Amino acid sequence: DAEITQSPRHKITETGRQVTLACHQTWNHNNMFWYRQDLGHGLRLIHYSYGVQDTNKGEVSDGYSVSRSNTEDLPLTLESAASSQTSVYFCASSGQGSATEAFFGQGTRLTVV
Amino acid sequence: SQQGEEDPQALSIQEGENATMNCSYKTSINNLQWYRQNSGRGLVHLILIRSNEREKHSGRLRVTLDTSKKSSSLLITASRAADTASYFCATDGVQGAQKLVFGQGTRLTINP
Repeated sequence: DAEITQSPRHKITETGRQVTLACHQTWNHNNMFWYRQDLGHGLRLIHYSYGVQDTNKGEVSDGYSVSRSNTEDLPLTLESAASSQTSVYFCASSGQGSATEAFFGQGTRLTVV
Repeated sequence: SQQGEEDPQALSIQEGENATMNCSYKTSINNLQWYRQNSGRGLVHLILIRSNEREKHSGRLRVTLDTSKKSSSLLITASRAADTASYFCATDGVQGAQKLVFGQGTRLTINP
């Protein structure tokens, strides 16, 4: 069965370190998204991609970057981790077009100490 | 900024009762979706309603959409303990935008 997986599920890192969160989907979806979820803020969009070599900034993109070298993967990099980036991160993918559901990974809980 | 705003933020009802959650949004949309999130898990798609639809049903779920008021409601009938979760509305935008913007969610607790 097709799926979307995130790794690691839990990560503790130190302030200032570079961290990369992996997202891999086997749906063959063009669209991929990264969200962060914090209490009181719901899900906020960090970056998204509509296809290979395409990346776009979301509403909370500062301090994050993504790259899309193939259809299956959209890794999220925190250039220099900050305590404010402690959060739960979700990756999602969806097919072409706006009227399609998104499939979510199980999430990565990141703690920056 | 958040596109959708759910109301109430938290809802606690007895098993068997109906649960109604509301969502308001700010800009024009192509469609609106509802998702459920169980504690510690990813979001799961429940239902999608297009901007030219006013009501849609799926099992015990009923969704309404009022584009003139920029609002939607999700009704869960005959609630069960397994319905305990957070519920989010998500909207896209017109002009082909395919990204989803989520509200803050409603935390629903079903008491046995």
